[in-house]
Amino acid sequence: ELKVEQNPLFLSMQEGKNYTIYCNYSTTSDRLYWYRQDPGKSLESLFVLLSNGAVKQEGRLMASLDTKARLSTLHITAAVHDLSATYFCAVDVLAGQGAQKLVFGQGTRLTINP
Amino acid sequence: NAGVTQTPKFRVLKTGQSMTLLCAQDMNHEYMYWYRQDPGMGLRLIHYSVGEGTTAKGEVPDGYNVSRLKKQNFLLGLESAAPSQTSVYFCASKSLGFGENEQFFGPGTRLTVL
Repeated sequence: ELKVEQNPLFLSMQEGKNYTIYCNYSTTSDRLYWYRQDPGKSLESLFVLLSNGAVKQEGRLMASLDTKARLSTLHITAAVHDLSATYFCAVDVLAGQGAQKLVFGQGTRLTINP
Repeated sequence: NAGVTQTPKFRVLKTGQSMTLLCAQDMNHEYMYWYRQDPGMGLRLIHYSVGEGTTAKGEVPDGYNVSRLKKQNFLLGLESAAPSQTSVYFCASKSLGFGENEQFFGPGTRLTVL
């Protein structure tokens, strides 16, 4: 059974600091997604990582993928309060009938304090 | 385009009652998915569909049924609701093909079973 594990599950940090969220998964996949979720809201797509060594950056967030290590990271640079949210990674794997499905990590609840 | 819409947004049921959640997408996507999200957890796949008239089970299908009579709609049914089905339900859709090919999520339905 595929497992996707995020670390840490809770993160409280100060504005201006840097930190990294880790996403480990237990099976082969070349496609990984990062989502943001605000309380009571749906999921907002942040990054799609399609191959080994992929790196994408948007503002203060940068995501990378190492398919050999089965590890993705989401790095936050000089955090600001607006980045407070829950962040999910999800791994794309084959389902039946030729479809693909997402298997999600537990989520990392990030709180950024002034 | 409205994207992915879900009806209703909120619902309270009593144990044993039945209901149907409707998901509609206007992007002509082939794949559609139903997930549930419980506190402190990522999304878990209930059922999915690779096209009109076809459905398949996901990770947590028990107690749910689905139908995809029209390409744009994916219905999730609870025949006899149980308190364990209290959750937030998200629908998603995705196109065929390669590339980033990400899933687009609806706004969610918050269901409480008393």
